[in-house]
Amino acid sequence: AQKVTQAQTEISVVEKEDVTLDCVYETRDTTYYLFWYKQPPSGELVFLIRRNSFDEQNEISGRYSWNFQKSTSSFNFTITASQVVDSAVYFCALSENDYKLSFGAGTTVTVRA
Amino acid sequence: DADVTQTPRNRITKTGKRIMLECSQTKGHDRMYWYRQDPGLGLRLIYYSFDVKDINKGEISDGYSVSRQAQAKFSLSLESAIPNQTALYFCATSDGYGYTFGSGTRLTVV
Repeated sequence: AQKVTQAQTEISVVEKEDVTLDCVYETRDTTYYLFWYKQPPSGELVFLIRRNSFDEQNEISGRYSWNFQKSTSSFNFTITASQVVDSAVYFCALSENDYKLSFGAGTTVTVRA
Repeated sequence: DADVTQTPRNRITKTGKRIMLECSQTKGHDRMYWYRQDPGLGLRLIYYSFDVKDINKGEISDGYSVSRQAQAKFSLSLESAIPNQTALYFCATSDGYGYTFGSGTRLTVV
């Protein structure tokens, strides 16, 4: 069964629009970590955020913000005032007590000038 | 130097050839991983190792083998490459809290 679901395959927006990427996860562990990674066209994986299961506070980092809701098993990611440089594939991932990282299928974000 | 170094960065090989992808890390972590990325499928775990004597299959290990030569080195082999093994391969290391990825190896099997 898929542990991490990113329902949106592709999102296209015009520069300065906000974009929200959905992530729903499935786990029976009480302790786990959630991650978001960015993969620009160059191909490397860029770490964006790690959140543990006991910290449900929303987080903001510049134009990026994350909304973690354990009640709905979701960890959504919003880019505010998108820019062309935000064009990339974004992955949500889950690390459980088995110390393996499970990825969603990724969401391709295209920001048009 | 990068924390996790993968070699080669790009490789084109022929069907049936044996090929090895190498990974080394300077983080000093015991846990190392090999992932494969295909478009629309995200990254899938091929093999992982929690120490030099511990090797485990991931969800898509068929057609692959690994060797953990040292704490810092974890290589992935394709014994007889086939075209559907064309993909982007990532090596990673972890301290159980965070994960550090290499830059990836783009492998094409023709």
